[in-house]
Amino acid sequence: EPEVTQTPSHQVTQMGQEVILRCVPISNHLYFYWYRQILGQKVEFLVSFYNNEISEKSEIFDDQFSVERPDGSNFTLKIRSTKLEDSAMYFCASSGAGVISYNEQFFGPGTRLTVL
Amino acid sequence: AQSVTQLDSHVSVSEGTPVLLRCNYSSSYSPSLFWYVQHPNKGLQLLLKYTSAATLVKGINGFEAEFKKSETSFHLTKPSAHMSDAAEYFCVNDMRFGAGTRLTVKP
Repeated sequence: EPEVTQTPSHQVTQMGQEVILRCVPISNHLYFYWYRQILGQKVEFLVSFYNNEISEKSEIFDDQFSVERPDGSNFTLKIRSTKLEDSAMYFCASSGAGVISYNEQFFGPGTRLTVL
Repeated sequence: AQSVTQLDSHVSVSEGTPVLLRCNYSSSYSPSLFWYVQHPNKGLQLLLKYTSAATLVKGINGFEAEFKKSETSFHLTKPSAHMSDAAEYFCVNDMRFGAGTRLTVKP
């Protein structure tokens, strides 16, 4: 069964460093998403991406964040200068074509980002 | 704007008894409602989704949810809880997650 994969599973970085979190969505999916979950808190939507551009973003997704689909398979989230409060589990998701509203999002296992 | 409110942060039931996890939604347009489950240290798995084809939606593992527009609710139920159901459950409207309900199942 096709699945969304994410690398690395755990990333430790120093405050102020740049990090890139990588995701490989399901191959025939067209919509891609990033979410984060701070420990003990709810899952928060960050950004959605379609047709090589951001379709929607939350207030969390400020200028420190960027997303890219550098090739036909990867979908990346870059945090330019990490802060302590960026420590969280980051989930990538993808969904297929069709009626967007009813599309199930398939989630990856997550990348745990720890900022020291 | 789309949002959801999960009314209980923690629900505890005994094995074999019914489960009810409550979710109310708010939508400026037709809602896109989902229930996801997250087991400890695992990713998010879809339990079921509302597609407007039917108000009673059946999902995996014996779960179902009923869409009630008049009550703006999409509560998740299961007739008989199993120990393996212990997890965190998230109601989702569009891309907005509720705060989650932690389900504990006692033997």
